[in-house]
Parts: sequence; structure tokens; C-alpha cells
Amino acid sequence: AQSVTQLDSHVSVSEGTPVLLRCNYSSSYSPSLFWYVQHPNKGLQLLLKYTSAATLVKGINGFEAEFKKSETSFHLTKPSAHMSDAAEYFCVVSDRGYGNKLVFGAGTILRVKS
Amino acid sequence: EAQVTQNPRYLITVTGKKLTVTCSQNMNHEYMSWYRQDPGLGLRQIYYSMNVEVTDKGDVPEGYKVSRKEKRNFPLILESPSPNQTSLYFCASSFGSGGWNEQYFGPGTRLTVT
Repeated sequence: AQSVTQLDSHVSVSEGTPVLLRCNYSSSYSPSLFWYVQHPNKGLQLLLKYTSAATLVKGINGFEAEFKKSETSFHLTKPSAHMSDAAEYFCVVSDRGYGNKLVFGAGTILRVKS
Repeated sequence: EAQVTQNPRYLITVTGKKLTVTCSQNMNHEYMSWYRQDPGLGLRQIYYSMNVEVTDKGDVPEGYKVSRKEKRNFPLILESPSPNQTSLYFCASSFGSGGWNEQYFGPGTRLTVT
């Protein structure tokens, strides 16, 4: 069975400093991994996805994530936070098989201080 | 514009009064799914559909029904809503059912059952 653990429920950074949102996953199969972002009162937007190509994945708005199979991690990073990055972020795992079921982490709320 | 639409966006109802939340996509996607979002739990899958007339239960199907009579529409039906179904609901669709497919999310429906 798949599962996702987001290690921090809240992260607070200052504008212009790096962002690190941590995610560990468990999957019986070769997983696909995603990061979605949800701004207040908005739907979910895909930031980036890993589907077995390059282990370092670049996404939108300067975010990237590195798939580390040995550590079962898929942490999200950004070199320099912007005020508009304040949102809730979800790490998501899906197995490659039939069903396209997404398993979501509990979410990490990112606060960006000016 | 490619999109997933949901209606209504906000709904307040009373216990036991049947309701339907509509979901429609204009991308000719085969796969559609419903999720509910509750604080601290991320999103959990309610039902999904691989194609027309093919539906199956997700992780939290109790109290919900779905149908898929047309490829573009996937309504969520609450026959007898209860207060524990107060939640934020998202419909999503993807091109195929493989786990590597990006899912596109609707804007969400906030349901309150009193």
C-alpha cells in the first residue's frame, strides 16, 4: 500500500531565503510522485512530477524536487522564496498500475514573511 | 480553455436532503475522480471512473454515489447527507488511468451539512 508523510505541517521562511518542504513516501511499486500547490480558496495546481526519468525534477515558479529512492524521499525546494509562494503544498504518490489512484500527504502550509 | 468545472461552488444544506454536485471536463479525458479534503488529512479519494459506465470505490465511498453516463460528466450524489460529509470536494480528470498521468482538478465545492 502507498502512503505519504509530509514531515512538517507548517514551514515559515523569510522572503528571499530557501524553501525546503520534506516528503517521504512508501510504495510497493515504482511510484510516480507529484507536488501540488493550493493557494487560499483555490483549486490544486501541479507544480512538478516524477515519473522515472531524471531524478531531479524542475517545476513551475522555480521549484524543484529530487527523487531519492534509497531514502524514499521527494523533498521540494526553491532557492529563494517569494511572497506569492505562501500556500499549502501537497506531496502525492501514485503507483504505475491500473487505477491512477493518488494518495495525498496531509499538506504543508508555507508561510513567507516579509 | 481546457478545464474541469464543478457546480455549485458553495452549498449549505440540511441533513437528509438529497443533493448532487456536478463535474464536467472538456478535455476528452477517460479518467475522472472525486476527492474530499479535510484539514490535516489531505485529499482522500471517494470514487473514480475509468470510462463511461465504469466506476469504482475509492478510500471513503460511504454515503456517496456516482454515475458516468457521458464521458465528460461525473456527478457526485449524496442521497442522505449527514454533518460528517461537511467538507471541500474536488473533481479531477486525466487522460488515462495510468499512475503517471497528471490529474486536472476543478475549483472545488464547499459543502456544509447542518
